[in-house]
Amino acid sequence: GAVVSQHPSWVICKSGTSVKIECRSLDFQATTMFWYRQFPKQSLMLMATSNEGSKATYEQGVEKDKFLINHASLTLSTLTVTSAHPEDSSFYICSAIGQVNTEAFFGQGTRLTVV
Amino acid sequence: RKEVEQDPGPFNVPEGATVAFNCTYSNSASQSFFWYRQDCRKEPKLLMSVYSSGNEDGRFTAQLNRASQYISLLIRDSKLSDSATYLCVVNNMDSNYQLIWGAGTKLIIKP
Repeated sequence: GAVVSQHPSWVICKSGTSVKIECRSLDFQATTMFWYRQFPKQSLMLMATSNEGSKATYEQGVEKDKFLINHASLTLSTLTVTSAHPEDSSFYICSAIGQVNTEAFFGQGTRLTVV
Repeated sequence: RKEVEQDPGPFNVPEGATVAFNCTYSNSASQSFFWYRQDCRKEPKLLMSVYSSGNEDGRFTAQLNRASQYISLLIRDSKLSDSATYLCVVNNMDSNYQLIWGAGTKLIIKP
């Protein structure tokens, strides 16, 4: 299957700092990328959908000024958690779909811990 | 009503048993259907796409009933390594391919 690379795989940061997470599609052009958050023992929760070259669409309850998403190219999307707080500690996962298939391929996920 | 609903689980079954997962979806315009598997603290991984004609991959069989808006996954001769959470996913092109996820059903295979 297609490969999506996400990094870092884990990060610990201090409260108030910002963290950037990258999601790259390595062998296909990702027209759409999705960012999810997953708290322990819960299902994936979609945060936002981003299309290359346009603004991301955020789900209700997700602060767009706090979770900055950039999808500047067909192979790269970034999620920046600004002014992180302990409650932002979670497992963040990106997924990407290409121009042909409707299957979504996932990055490995980023475990964020804010202390 | 949730857009995608799955059995709440968990399922505790002995090794070698056959396990069936059920999933219903509410949007009749849904076009693509998948089963994903998620191990603890890992990203979901695609297990199978679900086609109208049904499809089989080794011990795994997936079926789709569009009229009833129902998807199933059958695991035969279950192995300890099958223990995971199984997620039903529906994709609707009209909503920009947004994936709609079921809450997942946890499967625990016991020796």
